[in-house]
Amino acid sequence: DQQVKQNSPSLSVQEGRISILNCDYTNSMFDYFLWYKKYPAEGPTFLISISSIKDKNEDGRFTVFLNKSAKHLSLHIVPSQPGDSAVYFCAASAVRGGTSYGKLTFGQGTILTVHP
Amino acid sequence: DSGVTQTPKHLITATGQRVTLRCSPRSGDLSVYWYQQSLDQGLQFLIQYYNGEERAKGNILERFSAQQFPDLHSELNLSSLELGDSALYFCASSVEGAMDGYTFGSGTRLTVV
Repeated sequence: DQQVKQNSPSLSVQEGRISILNCDYTNSMFDYFLWYKKYPAEGPTFLISISSIKDKNEDGRFTVFLNKSAKHLSLHIVPSQPGDSAVYFCAASAVRGGTSYGKLTFGQGTILTVHP
Repeated sequence: DSGVTQTPKHLITATGQRVTLRCSPRSGDLSVYWYQQSLDQGLQFLIQYYNGEERAKGNILERFSAQQFPDLHSELNLSSLELGDSALYFCASSVEGAMDGYTFGSGTRLTVV
């Protein structure tokens, strides 16, 4: 049962353009969402997060949007840079449920390639 | 360097064998999490320890076990290895919960032949 899904295995964009990575979830108990970036031979690194009480969170070139009714979140990168080329994972947690203890449920990842 | 140290980085072993993966969390972090990433899969949660005690369990096989020691380092033991156990195993640590996200180690790549 894939509770967090990233339906696009890969995305290719031109440098300077917007990259939009999408993520869907099915578990209505999820109330905290995160994006991680992963380079080859490294562990995932935290990028940005959003609580379910918000619908948008921005950090520099990165913005995460949350649509709770659609159980959908997206990560926007503007402008995209070649150094952004990596695998992006979305993850979700049920924090207020009180039993997650920090467990994250990850999507399968999307490979982003930004061409110069 | 994320502050989370995993050893070894690579491990090649035969089916039926037993291996131990080691993780030293970031200084000050009490929680340790283990995740498995198989080919083309997302990270699958295996188990979490907090200050030496098991706190949450995911889809961890009975052939796998883990523990966290008083110095807070953790070990993941994989026994009776099968070809399908070949994967990247990540350890992550956090102060508490996932509100600011974890800090991941660079992983151990296990190849079972």
